[in-house]
Amino acid sequence: RKEVEQDPGPFNVPEGATVAFNCTYSNSASQSFFWYRQDCRKEPKLLMSVYSSGNEDGRFTAQLNRASQYISLLIRDSKLSDSATYLCVVNMGTNAGKSTFGDGTTLTVKP
Amino acid sequence: DVKVTQSSRYLVKRTGEKVFLECVQDMDHENMFWYRQDPGLGLRLIYFSYDVKMKEKGDIPEGYSVSREKKERFSLILESASTNQTSMYLCASRGGSGGLPFFGQGTRLTVV
Repeated sequence: RKEVEQDPGPFNVPEGATVAFNCTYSNSASQSFFWYRQDCRKEPKLLMSVYSSGNEDGRFTAQLNRASQYISLLIRDSKLSDSATYLCVVNMGTNAGKSTFGDGTTLTVKP
Repeated sequence: DVKVTQSSRYLVKRTGEKVFLECVQDMDHENMFWYRQDPGLGLRLIYFSYDVKMKEKGDIPEGYSVSREKKERFSLILESASTNQTSMYLCASRGGSGGLPFFGQGTRLTVV
């Protein structure tokens, strides 16, 4: 079983739709969590951090459920420019620990 | 702004060549990582380093080695390049345990 698993996708949605991605992690010692966005042939870039209380940034909402060991990303009112691959990232709870990435979920927003 | 710089954007090498991929970060980060990314396989960790001269194997270290002689520089070495090492290679650096990773722009390596 992978340490971090994401919804397989791809997700194809019309503009204006609401779409949600989930990501589960296996190690309960995981300490910090993030969502990254990766455009085609580019490097992943931080989209948002995920906090225990949940956090929102415009049309994007991230949530963490430690009991069930998953994080989620909700995108409201999808735009064409949201088309990308979304990667969840989990950091281990030690200073020397690695960051583990999910395989990514591809979102295509269609007109 | 954190800057992670990879030495080449595109590279073409011949089978059997020794290949060096360099990565430099300017934020005094302790942790540095090398990943490869292939279609359908996601990001796979090759090696990471949490301090100078320290290294840990990731999920797919075979055929690769690394060097971290200085804190800001993390090199990935393909001892004898093979065609199945054709891939996008991404370097990342990160501060302490809660820090978020920053990526270099990637090196698209083709081995012919």
